[in-house]
Amino acid sequence: DAGVTQSPTHLIKTRGQHVTLRCSPISGHKSVSWYQQVLGQGPQFIFQYYEKEERGRGNFPDRFSARQFPNYSSELNVNALLLGDSALYLCASRPGTQVYYEQYFGPGTRLTVT
Amino acid sequence: AQSVAQPEDQVNVAEGNPLTVKCTYSVSGNPYLFWYVQYPNRGLQFLLKYITGDNLVKGSYGFEAEFNKSQTSFHLKKPSALVSDSALYFCAVRDPSNSGNTPLVFGKGTRLSVIA
Repeated sequence: DAGVTQSPTHLIKTRGQHVTLRCSPISGHKSVSWYQQVLGQGPQFIFQYYEKEERGRGNFPDRFSARQFPNYSSELNVNALLLGDSALYLCASRPGTQVYYEQYFGPGTRLTVT
Repeated sequence: AQSVAQPEDQVNVAEGNPLTVKCTYSVSGNPYLFWYVQYPNRGLQFLLKYITGDNLVKGSYGFEAEFNKSQTSFHLKKPSALVSDSALYFCAVRDPSNSGNTPLVFGKGTRLSVIA
């Protein structure tokens, strides 16, 4: 079975631009979460979606937004990029929202803002 | 709010020796605890989790972890380290008090280096 897939793998953007990152969950997984991993740190939670509804939001500015589609894939959008947005963006999926489910992570999208 | 501490940035161990990667947590209720491993330029791979029951949890690649409620710890262990175990290890906690909507909270990570 295919794991979580993310696109693109790498991305270079200029300050002030907008970026869209994409994620396809494992087949059958209805919950998708997004995390930001800055170099040298653990992943920080950005959003959780389940059945197309936002179920949680981390401490990130409104420049960050996301959505989930009927096929459970998801997009993360970041507007007005700042240098500090440079990070590895990880998508994770799990079958549902039960607390005992572990999350399965994709390989990430490396975003560099210049 | 829940939090995780990984007190060691780096752990060095000789191949064949036992390894321990430390993790302590803070959560208001009974914790759900997870260990993940990250290889260079890769996402996080799930190793094991503690939900309830036996305090010793066995996971992938020969790893195990011991849950200690009195010490609020969940240390990752392996009896005999391999060079291929060299990677970045993350401990994470989820507080179940908000049903499934509580996200995973990760520690800063511990870099394990196994020397041949």
